[in-house]
Amino acid sequence: GESVGLHLPTLSVQEGDNSIINCAYSNSASDYFIWYKQESGKGPQFIIDIRSNMDKRQGQRVTVLLNKTVKHLSLQIAATQPGDSAVYFCAEKSMNTGGFKTIFGAGTRLFVKA
Amino acid sequence: EPEVTQTPSHQVTQMGQEVILRCVPISNHLYFYWYRQILGQKVEFLVSFYNNEISEKSEIFDDQFSVERPDGSNFTLKIRSTKLEDSAMYFCASSESGIDYEQYFGPGTRLTVT
Repeated sequence: GESVGLHLPTLSVQEGDNSIINCAYSNSASDYFIWYKQESGKGPQFIIDIRSNMDKRQGQRVTVLLNKTVKHLSLQIAATQPGDSAVYFCAEKSMNTGGFKTIFGAGTRLFVKA
Repeated sequence: EPEVTQTPSHQVTQMGQEVILRCVPISNHLYFYWYRQILGQKVEFLVSFYNNEISEKSEIFDDQFSVERPDGSNFTLKIRSTKLEDSAMYFCASSESGIDYEQYFGPGTRLTVT
């Protein structure tokens, strides 16, 4: 069945270093991928998205890479800051499921050490 | 900045009771969603709603669940007869349009079924 999952449940980085959070997905029909950040006690917050016809997309301090060949998605955070500490979820959507259902991965907790 | 709001922040109910969780989506958004997150687990899609009808739902969204947009601002999730396993955070989200539009999440309602 379809699934979106993460390689590492926790990631600890030093402030100022770059962070890389990885995600694997199994539905090759997925059209659209999203990274969300969830801070304690809050709802998921959109970070960046990428469509399946792209390999890379950059935002402010964040970059998402999509490798459709191996069904892999990654989120790179440059110069990680204490405020980046949160749980990060990858998610995917597919027109095969009507285009509305968002499937979330299990989440990676990012710890930023000062 | 406009935001999605949810009430109550915490709802405690006894097993078998009906609960209604309320959401006020962002005013110009047309698509509405409910998700749940069991403690420590990933976010799970429940249902999407557009043009006053359900556009997609997951296998979790069984006959015990219903959604309604009773007026021009509120969007509600009703659970008819709560079970212990319904205990979770319930997040409402809204978006301007369909598949590739950013979804804005509310802060969530924590439902505790005793």
